[in-house]
Order: sequence, then C-alpha cells, then structure tokens
Amino acid sequence: SAVISQKPSRDICQRGTSLTIQCQVDSQVTMMFWYRQQPGQSLTLIATANQGSEATYESGFVIDKFPISRPNLTFSTLTVSNMSPEDSSIYLCSVSPRQFFGPGTRLTVL
Amino acid sequence: GENVEQHPSTLSVQEGDSAVIKCTYSDSASNYFPWYKQELGKRPQLIIDIRSNVGEKKDQRIAVTLNKTAKHFSLHITETQPEDSAVYFCAASRGGGADGLTFGKGTHLIIQP
Repeated sequence: SAVISQKPSRDICQRGTSLTIQCQVDSQVTMMFWYRQQPGQSLTLIATANQGSEATYESGFVIDKFPISRPNLTFSTLTVSNMSPEDSSIYLCSVSPRQFFGPGTRLTVL
Repeated sequence: GENVEQHPSTLSVQEGDSAVIKCTYSDSASNYFPWYKQELGKRPQLIIDIRSNVGEKKDQRIAVTLNKTAKHFSLHITETQPEDSAVYFCAASRGGGADGLTFGKGTHLIIQP
C-alpha cells in the first residue's frame, strides 16, 4: 500500500485566514482525494484531484473556499480559505484505487 | 448521488462473540465497498474491501458479504477481542475505487470484557 504523509499534522488558526495542507505519496498515483471529518462525524468527500486537470468538487464544496492543486503524480495541496469556526475538522487525503488515508490534519479555527 | 446507510450506530458485544454491521447503498453503479476501522485520534484504517464481482471475502476473523440485488453489504467480526473496539465505517464508490467514497455514518463497536 502507498505511504501517505500530510503537513501540518495540526494547526490552530484565526478566522478569516487561510491554511494550505500538503499531501505527499511515496509512489505515483492517478487520483487523489480530499475528505473532511467534522468532530464526531463520518467522512465527507470534498473533491477529487486528478493530475493535469481541474479538481472535481462535491456538492456543497466550492473551489473558492477549497482550492486544490495537483502539480504531479505524488503531491497535492488543499487550501481552506477565509476560515470560520465551522471549518474546524480533520482533513484527510487518500489515493486510489484502494483508498488508504494519510494521517490527517487537525484544524481548529478560533 | 450515492447514499449509504449504516446500522447500528452503536453495537455492544461480549468478548468472544460475533459482531455484524450492515450497510445499504442506493447507487446500483457502485462496485467497490471498503470497510474502515477508526480508533480514537487516529486515521481510518482500511481493514477489508470487496468488489461487486465477488459475494464474500474473508481475512482471518473479518469477513464482508455483498448482496448486489438487495444493495447491501455487511461486516462480520468473529471471536471479538478488546482491541476490536473502535468506530467502523462502511463506504461505497463507482469505478472500482478510482472514484471518491461515500461513507456511512459509522458504528461504534464496544467489546465488553
């Protein structure tokens, strides 16, 4: 299975600011996915990142709020923009085809 | 879009007994069904997965069954142990895992000593 790392592991941010989360994989993968897990909840898919094309966003998530980059086959970033306390969650990346998850980024917005 | 229902939300079993968690899905095009175990403060861990061309898959004490006609799949854990206590999530996707996953709401499994 692919080894996935994420940075930062956690952060505390002020409302109105932005945070960029990095996801690095130890092998080339076609698809990378970003999920959100709100406190005590299940996981929700934010978007799918395919190298060389625009990310595909799920209903309820927009590019202006969650811009994604996928510059190569081993790396992706998710930015959480103009943050509010409702954005406090764990953000996780995963890769296809068998979807293993990175360690997650625990974000707290004050 | 896909909708995945998971039951029960909490399951308490005696150590050594079996546990069964059930999920239903709505999208008949879904063909990949993974199960994840999440311990407190940790990432979801893929424990077993099944594709729609298979009816059952086993890995030691864990098994998953799939009924495509009824659109439901289940996780079976036999001879439960204290370390099985965790939250379990089912999920479904199209594309054999190449598409994003839709998750159930999770089952908190408690193993009573």
